Amino acid sequence: SQTIHQWPATLVQPVGSPLSLECTVEGTSNPNLYWYRQAAGRGLQLLFYSVGIGQISSEVPQNLSASRPQDRQFILSSKKLLLSDSGFYLCAWSRRWGTRNYGYTFGSGTRLTVV
Amino acid sequence: AQSVTQLGSHVSVSEGALVLLRCNYSSSVPPYLFWYVQYPNQGLQLLLKYTSAATLVKGINGFEAEFKKSETSFHLTKPSAHMSDAAEYFCAVPVGTPLVFGKGTRLSVIA
Repeated sequence: SQTIHQWPATLVQPVGSPLSLECTVEGTSNPNLYWYRQAAGRGLQLLFYSVGIGQISSEVPQNLSASRPQDRQFILSSKKLLLSDSGFYLCAWSRRWGTRNYGYTFGSGTRLTVV
Repeated sequence: AQSVTQLGSHVSVSEGALVLLRCNYSSSVPPYLFWYVQYPNQGLQLLLKYTSAATLVKGINGFEAEFKKSETSFHLTKPSAHMSDAAEYFCAVPVGTPLVFGKGTRLSVIA
């Protein structure tokens, strides 16, 4: 069966520090991968998605970036965190073909607090 | 742009009462719609999905939703609320590859 791993679960970082959040998927090949951010009262904001290695689509211009170095690995990064980067970050995967039929499977999330 | 709108950011019901969470979609949306549930500090879990096979969709935990094209709605219901249903619920629609989510409705269940 397919599983998605996301870590760390919680993170407290000072303003201006770098960030690296990692997400990996097991039990499937060629998944679509997604990063969402959830801020209080603002729902889920799509940050990045990827349909293949090295292919990244950015939905929101900001100081975050994403990379997909391997088929089942998706990394969210920042060189210098801002206070506004605080939130709950969620990784998700979907089938390459048939997202509309099957939807997403989400990781357990990372709670990031920038202080 | 294709989107979904969830009416009511917070809904409170008594235990055993009917749960009704509202979702309306934009008229240009293709017939694929999803409901997800999120428990505190967890990821989202798929409750049910509409893929045009049947207008009444049954999901997990006793939830169901009915697709009504005439009303552009896909409301989520459960006949009898349980304390364990307290969570945040999101309606979603695919826009190209990604899913776009509504702002969510927090459900509180009162004993």
